[in-house]
Amino acid sequence: GAVVSQHPSRVICKSGTSVKIECRSLDFQATTMFWYRQFPKQSLMLMATSNEGSKATYEQGVEKDKFLINHASLTLSTLTVTSAHPEDSSFYICSAGGGIGINEQYFGPGTRLTVT
Amino acid sequence: AQRVTQPEKLLSVFKGAPVELKCNYSYSGSPELFWYVQYSRQRLQLLLRHISRESIKGFTADLNKGETSFHLKKPFAQEEDSAMYYCAPTRQGNTPLVFGKGTRLSVIA
Repeated sequence: GAVVSQHPSRVICKSGTSVKIECRSLDFQATTMFWYRQFPKQSLMLMATSNEGSKATYEQGVEKDKFLINHASLTLSTLTVTSAHPEDSSFYICSAGGGIGINEQYFGPGTRLTVT
Repeated sequence: AQRVTQPEKLLSVFKGAPVELKCNYSYSGSPELFWYVQYSRQRLQLLLRHISRESIKGFTADLNKGETSFHLKKPFAQEEDSAMYYCAPTRQGNTPLVFGKGTRLSVIA
């Protein structure tokens, strides 16, 4: 099956710094990737839809200037948490669609961000 | 508005007992429905989709358009079924999934 990777798997950063998380589709091309956030013991919340070659579409309530998304190629999307604060500590998960006409999505393993 | 309701946050059953995880949706158009599962310390993965009408790991789910439900069932629960289960509809095409809040299934030996 299709594989999606994320890097890093864990990151600890100081308050006020920025952190970049990468999401890669390893064996297929994904024109669209999705970024989710998951708080402990809660469901996934869609943050934004990342479109290759164009601007991301953010969900209501998600600050686009804080969570910068870049989808530079068909296999790579990045999420940068700028000026991180402790409340940004969470589990960030990306997913990639299987391609045109295929609705299944493949999920990355997630990145645990801890802001101290 | 698109909504997915999984009324049970936690469901505990004994090994060998039947299990039903409920899911109701409110979604415009004709969504495609999925069940995703997240085992402890593993990534989210697809369990089954309604269009394939298959049984995966003994689980089945029937789409009831009249009741707008897509309940997940298994006749005999196993300990390895303990996990978080998410019901998720999506529109046709490459659009994001809308996740329910999830139900944690705990199968007791």
